[in-house]
Amino acid sequence: KNQVEQSPQSLIILEGKNCTLQCNYTVSPFSNLRWYKQDTGRGPVSLTIMTFSENTKSNGRYTATLDADTKQSSLHITASQLSDSASYICVVSGQAGTALIFGKGTTLSVSS
Amino acid sequence: KAGVTQTPRYLIKTRGQQVTLSCSPISGHRSVSWYQQTPGQGLQFLFEYFSETQRNKGNFPGRFSGRQFSNSRSEMNVSTLELGDSALYLCASSAASNSYNEQFFGPGTRLTVL
Repeated sequence: KNQVEQSPQSLIILEGKNCTLQCNYTVSPFSNLRWYKQDTGRGPVSLTIMTFSENTKSNGRYTATLDADTKQSSLHITASQLSDSASYICVVSGQAGTALIFGKGTTLSVSS
Repeated sequence: KAGVTQTPRYLIKTRGQQVTLSCSPISGHRSVSWYQQTPGQGLQFLFEYFSETQRNKGNFPGRFSGRQFSNSRSEMNVSTLELGDSALYLCASSAASNSYNEQFFGPGTRLTVL
């Protein structure tokens, strides 16, 4: 069964600290993997998208990594800010014509 | 460029009623996808429309239906509402029906069923 599992479910960190969110998937065949940020009460916003041939992609303080062999991805947030408080959702796309498969997200809270 | 818009933003209905939600994609985008988001299940795919044709459908009962118009605007209908249909309904548009195309999400419609 195609699944996307994210960990941890929630995380609290101090402003200025770094953190890493994990995403494991069983989707096969694999097309691409995306990370979204969703602020409370708003729609998700894309952070990165990676195909199986890409290992790392950055977007400002956000860096996503992908290991297609182990079917794992991580999202690293550097020097966290209060505005990083949100839900981070990992989304995997299988073969063409199939629906996107969403993880349940990691809720990040950054405190001062 | 204006983003994806959804109307209404909030809706309260009672069990047994039906509801229609609307989504206007980004200008030039021809693909619209609908998702249901609940705290327990996260985001779940409902269906995707491209050029007025349903391209893909998730595992939802037939009470959930949708359509897309020639101007790419899309509507989603839920009939015989149940309490469990209370959720945030998100629509997302993309330029083409291709898994690599970035999807842009609207703010969602918060549906509460009493």
